[in-house]
Amino acid sequence: GAGVSQSPRYKVAKRGQDVALRCDPISGHVSLFWYQQALGQGPEFLTYFQNEAQLDKSGLPSDRFFAERPEGSVSTLKIQRTQQEDSAVYLCASSRISGQGAGETQYFGPGTRLLVL
Amino acid sequence: GNSVTQMEGPVTLSEEAFLTINCTYTATGYPSLFWYVQYPGEGLQLLLKATKADDKGSNKGFEATYRKETTSFHLEKGSVQVSDSAVYFCALRRGNTGFQKLVFGTGTRLLVSP
Repeated sequence: GAGVSQSPRYKVAKRGQDVALRCDPISGHVSLFWYQQALGQGPEFLTYFQNEAQLDKSGLPSDRFFAERPEGSVSTLKIQRTQQEDSAVYLCASSRISGQGAGETQYFGPGTRLLVL
Repeated sequence: GNSVTQMEGPVTLSEEAFLTINCTYTATGYPSLFWYVQYPGEGLQLLLKATKADDKGSNKGFEATYRKETTSFHLEKGSVQVSDSAVYFCALRRGNTGFQKLVFGTGTRLLVSP
């Protein structure tokens, strides 16, 4: 079936603008993750959902970042009043089950590249 | 805390050369270990994984063995191809309980020339 999809693929925002990034996980996947990948770095965890519940948001860098998954499927990462340091690739990943099996595979989307001018 | 350290790149090789990309980790408990690959313009793809000590993950000619005694998970391939040029990320995930956050290294760029 289809993989994880993200939109938009590219986003240019002026500093101070709000942006919304969308993630469509693989159908039926319970777990959904957001990661931030700065240029030349590895992805860093932002937040995790199990179905519609946001179980961990410890990686969100500030209260300008907000994520939701209201129906346990599609998720949106919103960044308010964007700053230049928010420029990065935002990756979404999903996995089939939760809480069990540390080896469970996370499937990544292509990412949204955000550039804040 | 949990962390992953990878050798810095870029690693530049000629086609058919032997590849090693070093990865060591620090973790509490018994993590699972992963190698992800990111081809130019594409998203992260799982390359291989190992979930317990002495396990060997393998895929597409790549191999890595989970070495608990040296806390390492080095990636190897006997004969690289130009198409293997990409960025390789080593990652860990805590085992046992809790959710499945991945902790990544900074990535190693591999460049293979004909």
